[in-house]
Amino acid sequence: KAGVTQTPRYLIKTRGQQVTLSCSPISGHRSVSWYQQTPGQGLQFLFEYFSETQRNKGNFPGRFSGRQFSNSRSEMNVSTLELGDSALYLCASSLWAGGNEQFFGPGTRLTVL
Amino acid sequence: DQQVKQNSPSLSVQEGRISILNCDYTNSMFDYFLWYKKYPAEGPTFLISISSIKDKNEDGRFTVFLNKSAKHLSLHIVPSQPGDSAVYFCAASSGGTTSGSRLTFGEGTQLTVNP
Repeated sequence: KAGVTQTPRYLIKTRGQQVTLSCSPISGHRSVSWYQQTPGQGLQFLFEYFSETQRNKGNFPGRFSGRQFSNSRSEMNVSTLELGDSALYLCASSLWAGGNEQFFGPGTRLTVL
Repeated sequence: DQQVKQNSPSLSVQEGRISILNCDYTNSMFDYFLWYKKYPAEGPTFLISISSIKDKNEDGRFTVFLNKSAKHLSLHIVPSQPGDSAVYFCAASSGGTTSGSRLTFGEGTQLTVNP
């Protein structure tokens, strides 16, 4: 069974731009969560989607948003990029909402210049 | 407020010996705990988990122990192998279908296994 896939793997953007990252969960998994990893803050929860609905949201500004499609694929969007948004963005999937065992993709490395 | 803490940023052990990685938590609502292993530029790989109704869970060379009264868990790797060298993250969840799958992670411990 294929794992979680994320595209693109690397992105370079400039301040003020917006970016969209994509995540395809493991086949059959219906819950997708997003995390941000930075050297200073570690791994932090962004949001979780299940059945196309956001079920849980972390402590991030409204510039960070996401959505989930009927095939469980998910996208996250960051608008008005800031230098501090440079990070590794990780997507994780699980069978159900509240499915504690989450399986991570390789991440998208975003660099904001 | 760091609800999950891994107080050792690094640990070095000899091949074949036991590696013990520790994790402490403060939130009494956490009821599910996981360990992940991470290589640079890759996503975390799930290793092993434990529910709060248990105090021990084993999977091959990996054993996780949970001490609820002390709010402490540990991961034992026996025997340690050079390929185990990676950053290990402890994570916790309050779980349940009503609150979602939000994982709270510790800062990570860099394990180095020397041949």
